[in-house]
Amino acid sequence: ILNVEQSPQSLHVQEGDSTNFTCSFPSSNFYALHWYRWETAKSPEALFVMTLNGDEKKKGRISATLNTKEGYSYLYIKGSQPEDSATYLCASDKNYGQNFVFGPGTRLSVLP
Amino acid sequence: EAGVAQSPRYKIIEKRQSVAFWCNPISGHATLYWYQQILGQGPKLLIQFQNNGVVDDSQLPKDRFSAERLKGVDSTLKIQPAKLEDSAVYLCASSLGTSGPTDTQYFGPGTRLTVL
Repeated sequence: ILNVEQSPQSLHVQEGDSTNFTCSFPSSNFYALHWYRWETAKSPEALFVMTLNGDEKKKGRISATLNTKEGYSYLYIKGSQPEDSATYLCASDKNYGQNFVFGPGTRLSVLP
Repeated sequence: EAGVAQSPRYKIIEKRQSVAFWCNPISGHATLYWYQQILGQGPKLLIQFQNNGVVDDSQLPKDRFSAERLKGVDSTLKIQPAKLEDSAVYLCASSLGTSGPTDTQYFGPGTRLTVL
């Protein structure tokens, strides 16, 4: 994989559903993987940064896992709420915090 | 702590016109980034400054785009002349510049540019 890819491109879920997205990145020369949440008309907000294979991070109802050997990360949202509606971006960092390559994002819509 | 500030938030111009965007990073952040985010794509790095020096501008279309960071604080990004394909959100980000995994980039709200 030469670029960072994310799937699905968009997702519609009902309030209360749990959901997950995938970020795929080049596993060679890996340094860190960042997740951001970008709500419409707001600034992208940093969610997690993960560096080690097997890392798991959690923030409230949102959690993420990392597999550096196969080059993927999952983001999970438990019990989705309308305020979770946003675009979720992942970025592969290959140069010690300074060379981010972003995926195209997953746009999540949570319907009340 | 105050976040990254950007202005204007929205700009509509005709093709071949010029436009400038301004960014004020978080106080004390040495590294400043400008990204271009075209609809349906992830943000693409245009230029990265470390203090007032350019670290990476390999993806900056230098025939029409220019950027400066005077005194290592605020930065401006200019497009002259604009083309239709420049329609995008222009994001500014800053980080401490410590070159480590905790050196998170903090983003401003972006400037949405529409070129008609």
